[in-house]
Amino acid sequence: QGQLVESGGGVVQPGRSLRLSCAASGFTFSSYAMHWVRQAPGKGLEWVVVISYDGSNKYYADSVKGRFTISRDNSKNTLYLEMNSLRAEDTAVYYCAKDTGSWYNWYFDLWGRGTLVTVSA
Amino acid sequence: QSALTQPASVSGSPGQSITISCTGTSSDVGGYSYVSWYQQHPGKAPKLMIYDVSNRPSGVSNRFSGSKSGNTASLTISGLQAEDEAYFYCSSYTSSSTLVFGGGTKLTVL
Repeated sequence: QGQLVESGGGVVQPGRSLRLSCAASGFTFSSYAMHWVRQAPGKGLEWVVVISYDGSNKYYADSVKGRFTISRDNSKNTLYLEMNSLRAEDTAVYYCAKDTGSWYNWYFDLWGRGTLVTVSA
Repeated sequence: QSALTQPASVSGSPGQSITISCTGTSSDVGGYSYVSWYQQHPGKAPKLMIYDVSNRPSGVSNRFSGSKSGNTASLTISGLQAEDEAYFYCSSYTSSSTLVFGGGTKLTVL
């Protein structure tokens, strides 16, 4: 079934940057599209971004477009999320999630446990 | 992209059936069959319950079923059990090549 483990969260000041990582194991990471989904404290789920299996194609939510960058290193079985110009409203638990297709089937059969990002002065 | 509309809460007694609605537009729910449902217990990661409107992943109880009519998708849980108590979220692919979630529904088993 596999496992996803996020890391890199923490407290950061508004306007600063942070990079999240998601280490994958137990499945062929390079064969699947991957997503980031976030959840603000006490709120619902919000989709953030997706990257195709080979990294050649990406789509972003309007709320993060131009500030966040997704990437992957298939040789390291790792997904990344570079977050710049962070705002208070970016405060959330960030989950990485595995798509069931190489491109996009738009549903997730494996989730990590999440990493908390807090944007605060 | 606005969130899909779900009721904030639903409730039912053990053994009963409940239905959670998820309303969008023709640019998301109504336009595609990429509707999914997730169950999330407090402090846990979401779990896929239904994909592509009405398909159930292996391992998910057949008490869970999904459907869609027009711009509204629905999740039905039959034979409610105490362990079903959780938050449920729908999601849909959109015409902007993005994904949108519903606001979430808290299911209480009385």
